[in-house]
Amino acid sequence: QKEVEQDPGPLSVPEGAIVSLNCTYSNSAFQYFMWYRQYSRKGPELLMYTYSSGNKEDGRFTAQVDKSSKYISLFIRDSQPSDSATYLCAMIESSASKIIFGSGTRLSIRP
Amino acid sequence: GAVVSQHPSWVICKSGTSVKIECRSLDFQATTMFWYRQFPKQSLMLMATSNEGSKATYEQGVEKDKFLINHASLTLSTLTVTSAHPEDSSFYICSAILAGVTDTQYFGPGTRLTVL
Repeated sequence: QKEVEQDPGPLSVPEGAIVSLNCTYSNSAFQYFMWYRQYSRKGPELLMYTYSSGNKEDGRFTAQVDKSSKYISLFIRDSQPSDSATYLCAMIESSASKIIFGSGTRLSIRP
Repeated sequence: GAVVSQHPSWVICKSGTSVKIECRSLDFQATTMFWYRQFPKQSLMLMATSNEGSKATYEQGVEKDKFLINHASLTLSTLTVTSAHPEDSSFYICSAILAGVTDTQYFGPGTRLTVL
């Protein structure tokens, strides 16, 4: 079993829709949770960063962490074609710097 | 701030040659840099952790004699793929940790390596 599971998609939604991206994990020691956006042939770009459980909102993006269920989500409101990219969840333990990535979900926003 | 650059952005080489990829932190000092490899439609796989002034720590299954890493300064780490083969063709991405902030990595734009 992988430490982090993420549906690879592809996920295609119309412009303006609310997008929900999710990851599950098995390591209860993870404390820091991140979402990265990666455009084709580019390096990942940090979108959201959350410590422990709870919600965090930044503009159209909301990250949720439910440590009891080992489940994290990224919501994108009012989705735009420019949001089309691969979204990677990632997490690290509290005492280590090694990031464990999900496999990434390819998202396409249709105009 | 926290910009990481890589050079070259893409490279094509013949089988058996060596290729050097540079990773630079442009506006901050990075005591630790990481090297990842990403195959098409797959996630990033950590290859090695590079600490300034010391030997790199390689992940299991990564040949240290094939993937030479040098972190000579607080702003530069290099990855040299020695005697490259077609199976080494991949997207290589580096990241850097802002000194004193261990939980956020800033990624470079990546280098596309194609070995013929």
